[in-house]
Amino acid sequence: DSGVTQTPKHLITATGQRVTLRCSPRSGDLSVYWYQQSLDQGLQFLIQYYNGEERAKGNILERFSAQQFPDLHSELNLSSLELGDSALYFCASSVEGDRGETQYFGPGTRLLVL
Amino acid sequence: GDSVTQMEGPVTLSEEACLTINCTYTATGYPSLFWYVQYPGEGLQLLLKATKADDKGSNKGFEATYRKETTSFHLEKGSVQVSDSAVYFCALSDRTGGFKTIFGAGTRLFVKA
Repeated sequence: DSGVTQTPKHLITATGQRVTLRCSPRSGDLSVYWYQQSLDQGLQFLIQYYNGEERAKGNILERFSAQQFPDLHSELNLSSLELGDSALYFCASSVEGDRGETQYFGPGTRLLVL
Repeated sequence: GDSVTQMEGPVTLSEEACLTINCTYTATGYPSLFWYVQYPGEGLQLLLKATKADDKGSNKGFEATYRKETTSFHLEKGSVQVSDSAVYFCALSDRTGGFKTIFGAGTRLFVKA
């Protein structure tokens, strides 16, 4: 158990809908990362937050947004969903978000868009 | 931009065989390098890491050395076990361009008894 929790574990929805994925980092970790894992694209870095502020942005679509709240939990919002958004979404956390740090991954949320 | 290339899988080995999974990288700065492992149905977990050139990371019998001259970070293990069956990801984290973490495509390892 990494100490990172993600809800829900599974999500099934329809095209055009909007969903929110939630992540609680390990106790004491200030930085949160979001990743998308799909069969054809591999593991893609989406976005990183540090203590409530956006720190780095990867291949995140404009239909997707994220935020980190004062209690350090984070939410990833996916809107106008398309079939191709079906994937496993991972959250990870680390203490400071610095380049040498270990990231601790949650178990993931499996999203299926029908 | 930064990138990570690792050997394609799947790799199938018999128990007690030697393992090497190749990983090379491209980075503009001085990245930290990582190997993460993903067991079936789970999230990724750190296997080992190295933060500067010539550092060797090791854990659970796995080793990898940060080679700046060849921009490589190959994963090795002298004797694999069935329990090592998993997907292995090479990754880099670079402060240049904003703390991005880039993962390779992953290499699936099957170890037969």
